Amino acid sequence: DVQMTQSPSTLSASVGDRVTITCRASRSIGSWLAWYQQKPGKAPKLLIYEASTLGSEIPSRFSGSGSGTEFTLTISSLQPDDFATYYCLKYSSFSHIFGQGTTLEIK
Amino acid sequence: EQLVQSGAEVKKPGASVKVSCKASGYTFTAYYIHWVRQAPGQGLEWMGWINPSSGLTSFPENFEDRVTMTRDTSIDTVYMELTRLRSDDAAVYYCARVRTGYNSWGAFDVWGQGTTVTVSS
Repeated sequence: DVQMTQSPSTLSASVGDRVTITCRASRSIGSWLAWYQQKPGKAPKLLIYEASTLGSEIPSRFSGSGSGTEFTLTISSLQPDDFATYYCLKYSSFSHIFGQGTTLEIK
Repeated sequence: EQLVQSGAEVKKPGASVKVSCKASGYTFTAYYIHWVRQAPGQGLEWMGWINPSSGLTSFPENFEDRVTMTRDTSIDTVYMELTRLRSDDAAVYYCARVRTGYNSWGAFDVWGQGTTVTVSS
């Protein structure tokens, strides 16, 4: 099956910073990738689907790009509410596979 | 549009657990439901899906001999039962809806609040 490798596992940044998180697939998955934000004790929240489409009511500082095997989630200007854990999700008719997660910490 | 799950469970090793997920605010039979779990301090793990209309299910290999998913269309509820529980099955279990109707796969846009399952002797 396709393997998803997410990096970095931890990221320290400050309010106002621009940050990027990457997910790499072991083989091409087209644009079938989503990004989620999860806060402690809460369910994941859909940010981006189909690699670059912003989810409902998601702020425009979040953006996604990529296709094939390499994908990025960018937060253009970090806000205090953005410190959380982020996951990518690869989806297909065969399987759904999450990346390992990236914890975004306050520097 | 909402998914509401049943409450926390405490089970002994070797027992079974059944978690419910009640849908509201949308057409229950139009959207596949998946289950995802998260062990304490760990990442997200996909467990499979159910078609609420037909009852058809699909699971990855690592769950296919221990997981059952069913539905009751009269009350817009799906169920996930995990048998032969082990200590490493302790996790928060989530149900989640596929964003696009009538598709078994896709991004999950609506999630339940999670159900904590504790496995302890």
